[in-house]
Amino acid sequence: QQQVKQSPQSLIVQKGGISIINCAYENTAFDYFPWYQQFPGKGPALLIAIRPDVSEKKEGRFTISFNKSAKQFSLHIMDSQPGDSATYFCAARRGSARQLTFGSGTQLTVLP
Amino acid sequence: ETGVTQTPRHLVMGMTNKKSLKCEQHLGHNAMYWYKQSAKKPLELMFVYNFKEQTENNSVPSRFSPECPNSSHLFLHLHTLQPEDSALYLCASSQAVGNSGANVLTFGAGSRLTVL
Repeated sequence: QQQVKQSPQSLIVQKGGISIINCAYENTAFDYFPWYQQFPGKGPALLIAIRPDVSEKKEGRFTISFNKSAKQFSLHIMDSQPGDSATYFCAARRGSARQLTFGSGTQLTVLP
Repeated sequence: ETGVTQTPRHLVMGMTNKKSLKCEQHLGHNAMYWYKQSAKKPLELMFVYNFKEQTENNSVPSRFSPECPNSSHLFLHLHTLQPEDSALYLCASSQAVGNSGANVLTFGAGSRLTVL
């Protein structure tokens, strides 16, 4: 119940294309869903986050879509750029928990 | 320096060695974390400290021993490790657990550990 399942494991997209990464969860007590971006040789950094009272959140080219009934959320990267090439982790957190539960990561490569 | 700094960045040790990883944060945060990152696996939380007190130990083997002398420094002492312990060890910090700001983790760049 604590797992967050992330797919795909790797993704290759052409420059200008749309990158979509999906995550699914079981625990309905999760109430905060962040995405972290990790470049090679760096630690993960918070990219964007959403709470389940909204279905979508957009920041620049990055959008989280949230489907509470399906217990799924996804990250969309519009107009993908080579500089977006990184590993992306979804995560989820219960309000009272002291920890984030992370997905297994998606390695995104955007071809020039 | 700003952010979360981890040293060393790379460490190679034998199974009988004793070494330590160090983490320092300059963000004024009161919670610090150790995570283990292995290829194609979710980040695994190892330990959480809130105001220098350990609040979480995720069934981590005793060959990993954390130490948090103050809210800005965190250590991970390593002894008699196994080859399967080879991984990237990430330190993170956040506002105090229980505070809404605790949702946002700031990670260091990690210490790449290889156990021979």
